[in-house]
Amino acid sequence: DAGVIQSPRHEVTEMGQEVTLRCKPISGHNSLFWYRQTMMRGLELLIYFNNNVPIDDSGMPEDRFSAKMPNASFSTLKIQPSEPRDSAVYFCASQNEIMEPQHFGDGTRLSIL
Amino acid sequence: GNSVTQMEGPVTLSEEAFLTINCTYTATGYPSLFWYVQYPGEGLQLLLKATKADDKGSNKGFEATYRKETTSFHLEKGSVQVSDSAVYFCALSDRIGYGKLTFGQGTILTVHP
Repeated sequence: DAGVIQSPRHEVTEMGQEVTLRCKPISGHNSLFWYRQTMMRGLELLIYFNNNVPIDDSGMPEDRFSAKMPNASFSTLKIQPSEPRDSAVYFCASQNEIMEPQHFGDGTRLSIL
Repeated sequence: GNSVTQMEGPVTLSEEAFLTINCTYTATGYPSLFWYVQYPGEGLQLLLKATKADDKGSNKGFEATYRKETTSFHLEKGSVQVSDSAVYFCALSDRIGYGKLTFGQGTILTVHP
């Protein structure tokens, strides 16, 4: 079975530009999570979807960040406008049942110049 | 709230040495406990899990026992290999709410030949 697929793997862009990160969860999984990983703050949960509905977005840093899940097989995380402090590795994870392990993608390494 | 504390790294060992990475937690409910491993340039992979007190999770020679009385879930391996070099994360998932994962800060392990 294919795992969680994220694209792009790497993104380098200038500050002020719009950035869109993409995620395809494992088929049949009904929960999806977006995380951000930095050296200073470790792994932070940004937003959680269940059955395509955002349930907890308390970790979204500010209004520049938005996430959507239009269907069960696709989600996006958008940053507009981007800033250098948004540079991090962004992970998507999916899960089939509460309390079961989450399965992570390989991440998108984002650099904002 | 929930929290996970891991021993500070980095940890550097010689091949075939014994490994212990300490993990303690604070949780409001009866959590499930996990160890995840992250190899360079990759996402997190589940290493092992335990869902109730006194359970022992094991995988690839790694073990951890869920100790409710000491609120601990220490990771051990009897003989490490160079290929075990990675970052290890302890995490908990609380049954209250949607089973949100709370991660420790991660411990970098380097194994030398």
